[in-house]
Amino acid sequence: EPEVTQTPSHQVTQMGQEVILRCVPISNHLYFYWYRQILGQKVEFLVSFYNNEISEKSEIFDDQFSVERPDGSNFTLKIRSTKLEDSAMYFCASPGRPDYGYTFGSGTRLTVV
Amino acid sequence: AQKITQTQPGMFVQEKEAVTLDCTYDTSDQSYGLFWYKQPSSGEMIFLIYQGSYDEQNATEGRYSLNFQKARKSANLVISASQLGDSAMYFCAMSYITQGGSEKLVFGKGTKLTVNP
Repeated sequence: EPEVTQTPSHQVTQMGQEVILRCVPISNHLYFYWYRQILGQKVEFLVSFYNNEISEKSEIFDDQFSVERPDGSNFTLKIRSTKLEDSAMYFCASPGRPDYGYTFGSGTRLTVV
Repeated sequence: AQKITQTQPGMFVQEKEAVTLDCTYDTSDQSYGLFWYKQPSSGEMIFLIYQGSYDEQNATEGRYSLNFQKARKSANLVISASQLGDSAMYFCAMSYITQGGSEKLVFGKGTKLTVNP
């Protein structure tokens, strides 16, 4: 069964530092997504990416965030200057056939100290 | 705006019994998809079941079934014969096409299910 792979699984960073979260989505999928889940809270949409462009972004996805697909396989989420409130689990997701659901990566737990 | 409501923050069930987790949704779209995901304490999001808005029959997947009542805009998850391993957070979600033409998935706040031995 195809998988979405995320690295790193955990990252601790100091406030103000840049972080890059990486995802390898399912290769023949066209849409890719980033979601965020603050501990114990709901899963929030950040951004969708289609055909190498951002197709939709939420109000959370401000100028501190960016996404790229630098080499046609990896899909990255960059946070330029992390804040304490960026501490969360970040998920990459890739939708396929609807009855297979969106496939989520195992997530990156980001802790900003 | 599209919205998912899960009114049960926590539910308890005895092992081997059935449990229903509630989900209502709000949309004016005719075409949408409804999903349930399980999130164990390890944190991963596990897809359980899908129901399309045009599907007339309720979806079933092993011990999971989705009780889809379109007129009431509800999509409750029924877990039969609960097992200890079913203890987890359960999220209801809906996919739809945005005004910009892209597909988006929105989640409810989740229900924490605890299965007691």
